Amino acid sequence: GAGVSQSPSNKVTEKGKDVELRCDPISGHTALYWYRQSLGQGLEFLIYFQGNSAPDKSGLPSDRFSAERTGGSVSTLTIQRTQQEDSAVYLCASSRPLASPNTGELFFGEGSRLTVL
Amino acid sequence: GQQVMQIPQYQHVQEGEDFTTYCNSSTTLSNIQWYKQRPGGHPVFLIQLVKSGEVKKQKRLTFQFGEAKKNSSLHITATQTTDVGTYFCAGPRDSGNTPLVFGKGTRLSVIA
Repeated sequence: GAGVSQSPSNKVTEKGKDVELRCDPISGHTALYWYRQSLGQGLEFLIYFQGNSAPDKSGLPSDRFSAERTGGSVSTLTIQRTQQEDSAVYLCASSRPLASPNTGELFFGEGSRLTVL
Repeated sequence: GQQVMQIPQYQHVQEGEDFTTYCNSSTTLSNIQWYKQRPGGHPVFLIQLVKSGEVKKQKRLTFQFGEAKKNSSLHITATQTTDVGTYFCAGPRDSGNTPLVFGKGTRLSVIA
């Protein structure tokens, strides 16, 4: 597709349920990022993929959060046993890694708004 | 770890007034990027600055990167209602191609 695609756009779930959020990056973008944005707040880094590997998982808030990327393309962010504090917009972005000191610009998807009741 | 701080958090201006947001990093940055997020939208890339002391202009927007590469600013001349949104600065957390750390943003409101 032309841009980063995320699904679902909206997800309402009950506390304790598992959710999966999907991201389809721009074709050819090897780097993929997940960020979380709580209402009116900044962007909190969660995890980063280079190809299928995740060199940096440091931002994942707890072991209930996991992510994978297959075929160097689609990524899935899974939240197990959701809690109310997980409610936020989950943004996915992709980029083309460039030679330092440049950093590829991030192309963001529209986000998945998660509401945990 | 590296932190990126932005001020002010909010700014309300009359249409036609100027606006400036400031970004400060706790460490030297290899580059800095600026993004704009419209209400209800997603962040959109505006510009990247790489060189010490660099100044770039995009129409009414002027971006600066400090000499020490630890601070940056975005200045909008004669704001318009289309400038409404939240402006974020972001810098690589470490050297090389590492995740961007975003500031908390400055939310701009423009009163017509």
